[in-house]
Parts: sequence; C-alpha cells; structure tokens
Amino acid sequence: DTAVSQTPKYLVTQMGNDKSIKCEQNLGHDTMYWYKQDSKKFLKIMFSYNNKELIINETVPNRFSPKSPDKAHLNLHINSLELGDSAVYFCASSQEPFGTGRIPDTGELFFGEGSRLTVL
Amino acid sequence: GESVGLHLPTLSVQEGDNSIINCAYSNSASDYFIWYKQESGKGPQFIIDIRSNMDKRQGQRVTVLLNKTVKHLSLQIAATQPGDSAVYFCAPMDKSYQKVTFGIGTKLQVIP
Repeated sequence: DTAVSQTPKYLVTQMGNDKSIKCEQNLGHDTMYWYKQDSKKFLKIMFSYNNKELIINETVPNRFSPKSPDKAHLNLHINSLELGDSAVYFCASSQEPFGTGRIPDTGELFFGEGSRLTVL
Repeated sequence: GESVGLHLPTLSVQEGDNSIINCAYSNSASDYFIWYKQESGKGPQFIIDIRSNMDKRQGQRVTVLLNKTVKHLSLQIAATQPGDSAVYFCAPMDKSYQKVTFGIGTKLQVIP
C-alpha cells in the first residue's frame, strides 16, 4: 500500500509537448511538494502546497503549473517542454507544513518513487 | 539552478566496516539538520535528524555528529551492509523552517 504514489514512472516526449505528472498520498498529510532531481543527483524543491494552497514557488518557469484538487493530490503540468526539463521529478508529503514560522516536530518528508521525464 | 560541473562524491567501504559520510554547511543560522538516504531508482528516505542544541544523536546503526563551530556534520554507519549502498543527503534548515533543502549528496558503495 504505497504512501506516496506518482504516475507515470517514465515519460518520454518530444520538445514542445505538454505533459502532466500526477501524485497522490494516502498518509493524511496536509502538505505536498514537488522536487526536481537532475542527472548529478542534485535535488531541488520546486513547489509546496499546504491544504491546497501554494506556499513555496521556487523560481520555477511558469511553464510549470502545479494543481492541487484536494490535499491528497498534487499534480504537475508542464507546458512547452524543453530539453532541460529532462530529470526525475519527485512528489513528497509531510505531516506539517514548513514556512509557517513554527518549529516543526520533524522535517521528515515522504517521497514517491519518482517520475523520470525524458525530453527528446 | 543545475549542478553543472559538480560531481557526486563517492565513498567506497568494505562490508562490515564503519562508514563516515561528511556534510559541510555554510549558513551559520542553520538550526535543524536531517539526513536522507536514496537508493537507486527510489525516492529519498528519512534516516535521522538532529537539532542545533545537540551535538550527537544515535539511531539504529547510525550516529549523527554535529559541530556547529566548524559548520560540519557527519553520519556514521556502523557495520556497513550492502543494503546501505545509496546516495546520502544532508539537509540543513534555518530557523525560518521554510523548506527542506538538500545538499550535493554522497554516494556510498559497499564492497562485499
């Protein structure tokens, strides 16, 4: 019973196309994230949502648009794909939100298995 | 941005030996530190955390040491096993607790 699941696991597409990656968590968490990991394993936060509200938008091109229909889902839509968008995208969730000024009890993030996007 | 020009540091350890993975951080305001493990083809997984009011914390086969004076922390793994082979990330957080930001990562290879 996967806690954070994302689909598809692999995505190969042409430059200029639009694609979406979906994420669902069944942990009852309020906060969800998208991270991007490049070929050198550098892992960078893109967005975070708390209870469907955007908290962090980490200077990501506006071709990337996250959507949270409810607090258990956070989808990532990418328009006009570019070669540099090729990466592994990870969805994650946490029990409590960061960035509220309150010291979190834990900084534990629960990650999905990743979605490998290849843009040709 | 991207990690262009950076290489993933690699540590090779014999099975059964102890491993020490180091992490240097730059922000003296960092207040809370987390270690994650990422196995091949999987997402990162939380291992252990430590707050700045501590200098040592132990878990199961893992110990994290924090030296705030030199802005350095280490993750020690006792009796390293093949299943410990992974990329390890430290993630310092400052007092704003805005987000979990991952460092470069260290690849641990366990030699059987």
